[in-house]
Amino acid sequence: GDSVTQMEGPVTLSEEAFLTINCTYTATGYPSLFWYVQYPGEGLQLLLKATKADDKGSNKGFEATYRKETTSFHLEKGSVQVSDSAVYFCALSDQRFGNKLVFGAGTILRVKS
Amino acid sequence: DGGITQSPKYLFRKEGQNVTLSCEQNLNHDAMYWYRQDPGQGLRLIYYSQIVNDFQKGDIAEGYSVSREKKESFPLTVTSAQKNPTAFYLCASSIDGGANQPQHFGDGTRLSIL
Repeated sequence: GDSVTQMEGPVTLSEEAFLTINCTYTATGYPSLFWYVQYPGEGLQLLLKATKADDKGSNKGFEATYRKETTSFHLEKGSVQVSDSAVYFCALSDQRFGNKLVFGAGTILRVKS
Repeated sequence: DGGITQSPKYLFRKEGQNVTLSCEQNLNHDAMYWYRQDPGQGLRLIYYSQIVNDFQKGDIAEGYSVSREKKESFPLTVTSAQKNPTAFYLCASSIDGGANQPQHFGDGTRLSIL
């Protein structure tokens, strides 16, 4: 079945450092890809999405590009802030089950001041 | 403000007891979903509904039940048959369940066993 693999965390960075969180996927067909962010004790918030190959999603300084040839959707940010500390989930939509989201395990990001 | 409201925020279940988690949305979305989140894991789909009076099992439906009598409401019952119910439960909705449509999430209910 479809699956998503994320780099294990926690990832610890200093403020203003460059961030990359790797995400690769396995899917039949051409899924849409998403990054969600979860702050402590809260639900998930959509960070960005891409719906077809070579699409770049971006929001709040975060970017990710849908790479069909490498089945990847890596999240990047040029300069992280302490407020970016959260858990980041990569996900794809699975058309076979009402377009349910298939999630990676999540990557904890900690940013130190 | 439009959004998804889950209640209660914390819930405790005794052995052999059924409990119901509420999920209400005022986004006028057709599709609604229930996910379970365990520590260090991604979310797993319990049930989903793409239209009123219809719902489908997800990956881990055993021990759970749902109803969809109104467009804005999708309650989840955790039955006594669910032997390991301690988890964080998240409700989500999307406009029409289409592949390109993002899902919007509530703030979750944390369920624990007494």
